[in-house]
Parts: sequence; structure tokens; C-alpha cells
Amino acid sequence: DSGVTQTPKHLITATGQRVTLRCSPRSGDLSVYWYQQSLDQGLQFLIQYYNGEERAKGNILERFSAQQFPDLHSELNLSSLELGDSALYFCASSVLAGVGADTQYFGPGTRLTVL
Amino acid sequence: LAKTTQPISMDSYEGQEVNITCSHNNIATNDYITWYQQFPSQGPRFIIQGYKTKVTNEVASLFIPADRKSSTLSLPRVSLSDTAVYYCLVVATGGGADGLTFGKGTHLIIQP
Repeated sequence: DSGVTQTPKHLITATGQRVTLRCSPRSGDLSVYWYQQSLDQGLQFLIQYYNGEERAKGNILERFSAQQFPDLHSELNLSSLELGDSALYFCASSVLAGVGADTQYFGPGTRLTVL
Repeated sequence: LAKTTQPISMDSYEGQEVNITCSHNNIATNDYITWYQQFPSQGPRFIIQGYKTKVTNEVASLFIPADRKSSTLSLPRVSLSDTAVYYCLVVATGGGADGLTFGKGTHLIIQP
């Protein structure tokens, strides 16, 4: 158990819909990362937040957005969903602000299926 | 960017030692090497990290030659439960995009 929690575990929705994925980091970690993993693309970095502020952006689509709240939990919002958005979405947390600077602890993931 | 190259897949048998090599020809002075392990439908898990020579923990060893252009993750006496994807990352002190580049990893399959 990494100490990172993600909800929901599974999510099935239809094209065009909007969903919100939630992540709670390990106690004491201020950085939160979001990744997308699909079969053909591998593990792709989406976005990082540190103590409520956006730190780095990766291959995140404009239809996707995220935020980190004062209690340090984070939410990833996916809108206008397409079939190709079906994937595993992982959240990771770490201590340092530096982008990818220290060990990342990954949550169990949310499996999103878009029908 | 210190791009890494590692084999797409490997297989071995229970009880054998497995070595997975990662090439990182453009590694910078302040970079260190980190390996993660990922089981199916789970998030990656940190295995080991090193800067030079040899590092050993309860799970694996990491060998890094003097020129640091490659590294080898060594898993002693593997079991079926070591079947997973292994990712090699080059992480800069202070951070950088390389620390987020997991790539496709090496899919290790252990057979009985």
C-alpha cells in the first residue's frame, strides 16, 4: 500500500460525458502527479501540482483539467469524453516540488471505460 | 533530455538471476538512475536508485559503470511474482521532464 488513494476504482461512461477522478496523496506529500496509461501509449505524464499550484504540464488535452485543493487532494476532470480516453489513470505523490525530482508513490489507479 | 533505451521484453525462469540493461548515453553530471516496477493494473512502484558503482537493497541491485552511460538492474533468484514491467528513468537533481518519462519499459516474463 503506497498510501495514495484514488477513487473511483472503475468508471464506465458514455462518449461526450464529463467525469471527475479523485486522488489523496500520502500524508506529508505536497506534490501530486497525474498519468494516463493506455495499451498503445504506455504511461504518459499529464500534469503536476505542488501545494495547490500547477508545476508542470505534459501531454494533457485541453478537454482535461486538474486542480489541487488546500487539503492537498487533487481532482482530474475529463470532459467531452471520447472512446480513446479509455485508459488507466494514475495519481502519484511525492515530497519535493521539483518536477519528477524524487520518488513518486503511485495510487491504485482509476480504470475509465468510455462506451 | 537523457533519453533511455531498454529492451521491450525479456523472459527467464524461476530461480535465475535476471539482468535488465538500460542505456542513457546523454546522462548529465547531476542525473541519477531510478527503476520502477509495475504489475498489471497497478501503479508503478519504486525499486532502486543510484548514481554510480553499485547499489543493493532487499529487492534488487543496480550496477552503474564509471561512464554512467548505462545501468543494469539485477534481480536475484526471480520468482513468478517478478513478472512485471520494469522502467528505467534518469532523474535530474532538482527535477526535470526526464523524471516523468516512463516510456514503454521492459516486460519481464518469468516462467516456471
